[in-house]
Amino acid sequence: DIQMTQSPSSLSASIGDRVTITCRASQNINRNLNWYQQKSGKAPKALIFAASSLQEGVPSRFSGSKSGTDFTLTISSLQPEDFATYYCQQSYSSEFTFGPGTTVDLK
Amino acid sequence: QVQLQESGPGLVKPSQTLSLTCTVSGDSISSGGYYWSWIRQHPGKGLEYIGYIYYSGTTYYNPSLKSRVSMSLDTSAKQFTLRLSSVTAADTAVYYCARRRGTTTSYFDSWGQGTLVTVSS
Repeated sequence: DIQMTQSPSSLSASIGDRVTITCRASQNINRNLNWYQQKSGKAPKALIFAASSLQEGVPSRFSGSKSGTDFTLTISSLQPEDFATYYCQQSYSSEFTFGPGTTVDLK
Repeated sequence: QVQLQESGPGLVKPSQTLSLTCTVSGDSISSGGYYWSWIRQHPGKGLEYIGYIYYSGTTYYNPSLKSRVSMSLDTSAKQFTLRLSSVTAADTAVYYCARRRGTTTSYFDSWGQGTLVTVSS
């Protein structure tokens, strides 16, 4: 089974801050990594697919990248509507494992 | 724009079978390219992929649930259904239906709002 880890598990940030969340897989998953945003009481929403492709309709302040075995979700300038929990998810193996999530809240 | 909506009992007794239906609007579920999926989220926890059913009837179930899961498709009603047998309190969760697109690059691009299912006597 492919295990996904995320860091940090939570972070506090201010409006306008640059926010970075890291995800790592327990084995090579190429670029088969997706990012989702989930607000309280709502379904997750796709942000980034295939490591760095922006889902249609998602603001350009969101971006994804891969460096070595690490994947990164970056919010270039945090907006009030971005306070949420972010999940990575691998689509390399059939189990489509999700990471444990990173909660972004207001400092 | 595709929309998905879960429906089914919010309370199921232990050892019984959980049954949920997802109704799809704005898209056909009888054409290829999409994997009609179920995902669950235990209260306050992360997300777990249960599996999918393809328009052809092909299914995939998460090995951790495979012995208890079945899915079916009703293309005329634009619905797909999840059944989970022999439920316990550990199956209490919010259940989401979702559309998974792509094969080599695959992700969940549309989700239902989710429905909380509680397993309790």
